[in-house]
Amino acid sequence: KAGVTQTPRYLIKTRGQQVTLSCSPISGHRSVSWYQQTPGQGLQFLFEYFSETQRNKGNFPGRFSGRQFSNSRSEMNVSTLELGDSALYLCASSATGGLVGANVLTFGAGSRLTVL
Amino acid sequence: AQSVTQLGSHVSVSEGALVLLRCNYSSSVPPYLFWYVQYPNQGLQLLLKYTSAATLVKGINGFEAEFKKSETSFHLTKPSAHMSDAAEYFCAVTLSGSARQLTFGSGTQLTVLP
Repeated sequence: KAGVTQTPRYLIKTRGQQVTLSCSPISGHRSVSWYQQTPGQGLQFLFEYFSETQRNKGNFPGRFSGRQFSNSRSEMNVSTLELGDSALYLCASSATGGLVGANVLTFGAGSRLTVL
Repeated sequence: AQSVTQLGSHVSVSEGALVLLRCNYSSSVPPYLFWYVQYPNQGLQLLLKYTSAATLVKGINGFEAEFKKSETSFHLTKPSAHMSDAAEYFCAVTLSGSARQLTFGSGTQLTVLP
């Protein structure tokens, strides 16, 4: 069973540009969550999608957005990049969106974004 | 709001020694608690979870954790460290099994000395 796949794994952008990151969940999983990991702020929740609907959103500015497609694949977009957006962006999927029982989060390897 | 505090950002142990990584939680209701491990250039892997059943939880790779409500703790232990245990470990909390987001601690980098 394939795991959570994130693309690209590494990318470099400059300030002011925008970026789109992609996440393919485990087959059959309908919930996709995104987390930002930085040395200073640690792991922070960005948002969660379930059946193409955003169900939760963390405390991030509107420059951070996402969407989920009918096949459960998800993308997140960051517009007008700032230096502080440099981070590892982790995607995680779960079967139905809960976090216990069989519905634990399975994480991908992440997309490492560097903003110059 | 819930939170977790991991005491010690860096822990070093000798191979074969006991591993103890500390996690304390703050929650107004009984929490659900998790330990994840992250190896370099990889995502997070679930080690174990506490979901209000047994207070002693056994996970993968010989790790276990005990939920102590009186101490608001969920410390991670392993009797004998192996070189392959060197990684960063994160404690995380959520308030409900139906919740869809985790609040993570700041992480503990474990170094295993030969």
